[in-house]
Amino acid sequence: EAGVAQSPRYKIIEKRQSVAFWCNPISGHATLYWYQQILGQGPKLLIQFQNNGVVDDSQLPKDRFSAERLKGVDSTLKIQPAKLEDSAVYLCASSLIRGTGTDYEQYFGPGTRLTVT
Amino acid sequence: AQKITQTQPGMFVQEKEAVTLDCTYDTSDPSYGLFWYKQPSSGEMIFLIYQGSYDQQNATEGRYSLNFQKARKSANLVISASQLGDSAMYFCAMRGRDTDKLIFGTGTRLQVFP
Repeated sequence: EAGVAQSPRYKIIEKRQSVAFWCNPISGHATLYWYQQILGQGPKLLIQFQNNGVVDDSQLPKDRFSAERLKGVDSTLKIQPAKLEDSAVYLCASSLIRGTGTDYEQYFGPGTRLTVT
Repeated sequence: AQKITQTQPGMFVQEKEAVTLDCTYDTSDPSYGLFWYKQPSSGEMIFLIYQGSYDQQNATEGRYSLNFQKARKSANLVISASQLGDSAMYFCAMRGRDTDKLIFGTGTRLQVFP
C-alpha cells in the first residue's frame, strides 16, 4: 500500500512570495490533515478535511493560508504572502475515517520543509 | 485544554540497553488516547504505540511498551534492547474523546551509541 505522498520535499522562497504544497493521501482515506511543525516543536494541526469538507481550521491563519481538497482526494495548502515565521515543515496525514482509537490511526507523509528568507 | 509535556530534550542510551522517554499529559476529557510517534531525520512521523484511557493493561508493540499511570497522568515510552536505528525524535501525543486532532509534545531526541 502506497503511503501519503507530498511534494515538493523542500522549498526556499523569499518573504512576501507565495508557495503551494501538495498532498496525496493513502487511497481510500476520507480524512486528511495538514500540520505545521516549527523547528524544536511538535506538529500543530492547521486544518482537517473529511472528504472535501473542512472539519477544523481553527488554527489556520486564514489571512495568508488557504487549503482545498476539491474532489475529496488530494489537497493543496497555499501560503500567500509568506512570512519569516512560516519557516517550518508542513506535514500531511490521512486516516481511514474519523474517530478515536487505533482503528483511526493517522499516517503521515514525509513533509515539505519550507524556508522563508 | 489538552496539553502534553515532554521534559527530556535529549537522551543517550547504549545499544542493547533499555531507555524510558517521559511524557505527562493534562486533559479534562474522561476518555482519551495517547500515542507515541518516531520521527527520523527523513521527517515522516511513524506511529509506534497507542494506549486508550480505559485500557486496563499497558500497551506493548514489539520492543516498545507504554508505562501508563493514569492517576499520575503519565504515559512513558519504554524501548527495550535499543538499536542504532532507534536514534530519532520521539513525540508523545494525545487525542480527546470528541476530536481526532492530535496534540503533540515538544519531543525527545534519542541517540543510541554503540
